[in-house]
Amino acid sequence: NAGVMQNPRHLVRRRGQEARLRCSPMKGHSHVYWYRQLPEEGLKFMVYLQKENIIDESGMPKERFSAEFPKEGPSILRIQQVVRGDSAAYFCASSPARGREQFFGPGTRLTVL
Amino acid sequence: GESVGLHLPTLSVQEGDNSIINCAYSNSASDYFIWYKQESGKGPQFIIDIRSNMDKRQGQRVTVLLNKTVKHLSLQIAATQPGDSAVYFCAENIPNNAGNMLTFGGGTRLMVKP
Repeated sequence: NAGVMQNPRHLVRRRGQEARLRCSPMKGHSHVYWYRQLPEEGLKFMVYLQKENIIDESGMPKERFSAEFPKEGPSILRIQQVVRGDSAAYFCASSPARGREQFFGPGTRLTVL
Repeated sequence: GESVGLHLPTLSVQEGDNSIINCAYSNSASDYFIWYKQESGKGPQFIIDIRSNMDKRQGQRVTVLLNKTVKHLSLQIAATQPGDSAVYFCAENIPNNAGNMLTFGGGTRLMVKP
């Protein structure tokens, strides 16, 4: 049973480009969460999605950031017109239901030049 | 807001000793707590969890204690090994109208000296 998969593991973008981060949850999990982590800091919640629905996006910046979890395929976190401050590790987690333990993927490390 | 430029608190222990990592949580309505271990360059790994109707839970070499009166959580690791070196995060589950989400503490770095 594969764990949470994220790709790419490392992503380099120039300022103004778009970044697309993908997350495939564990088999049987329909709840996906995205977190952002700066070096030497904890994880900051961004968005919580269920299949085809955004449940809670209170941690996600209103501009340039969007997330989706389509009926088929992985969840996508999209960052448009990236800036240097977007450089961070972005982690995806999945759970089988609300209020249950979340299992994390290996993360995508985004570097904006 | 976010803390920028702060280093993680570090706990340094000798191999074979017991480790205690502490966490103060923020919300008295939190009903579920998790400890995660994060090794360098990897995602957080689930260690152990506890619900708010319990005050102690034991796993293999790890014990979590919950004191709701003072909103304090601790992780005890018995016979600490070099492989336990990592950053440890506590997370609290705060029920809300939109759905449950985890709020993470700032983390503690555990360094095990051989």
